[in-house]
Amino acid sequence: AQTVTQSQPEMSVQEAETVTLSCTYDTSESDYYLFWYKQPPSRQMILVIRQEAYKQQNATENRFSVNFQKAAKSFSLKISDSQLGDAAMYFCALGGATNKLIFGTGTLLAVQP
Amino acid sequence: DTAVSQTPKYLVTQMGNDKSIKCEQNLGHDTMYWYKQDSKKFLKIMFSYNNKELIINETVPNRFSPKSPDKAHLNLHINSLELGDSAVYFCASSKRQGATEAFFGQGTRLTVV
Repeated sequence: AQTVTQSQPEMSVQEAETVTLSCTYDTSESDYYLFWYKQPPSRQMILVIRQEAYKQQNATENRFSVNFQKAAKSFSLKISDSQLGDAAMYFCALGGATNKLIFGTGTLLAVQP
Repeated sequence: DTAVSQTPKYLVTQMGNDKSIKCEQNLGHDTMYWYKQDSKKFLKIMFSYNNKELIINETVPNRFSPKSPDKAHLNLHINSLELGDSAVYFCASSKRQGATEAFFGQGTRLTVV
């Protein structure tokens, strides 16, 4: 069975600082994808970043980057220069041949001014 | 132009009623989904369609009936609504099967009273 675990229910960061959100996963597939989604209070699900499992290079999107450790089945999200607009629930998700996304339980990120 | 749009955004109804949620995507994607987000923010797949064909039915009660008239539309009809059906329902689409990134609609908050 595929699982995604986010062990940090809540995190807090000062504006302009860096924060890392943790995610571990389990899958028996060799070809899979990992995602981070952001859900602000508006409840819209916004794709932040994606990583293909076959790529060794860590994905980066502006201030967002991941640390993908395939052997450890770890996929953490680093947010640099945090902004007030980054405050949201962040979900880690696993996708693959099963044609569905498996989501973690989410991490609620607060950004302090 | 909204990529994945759902209507309505909010739905309040009494127990026992039947209701529908509509979803349309203008991305030209082949695959569409319904996800349910419960009160604890946990997201879980309900259904997946590929080119109008049902691919996944994740042990959802048969009071829930999806319908895909064409690959751009996926509607969700719910019969005999129960209090436990209260949740946010998300429609999503992806380019193809295999769970590449999914693009989500804005969600429909269903409240059963």
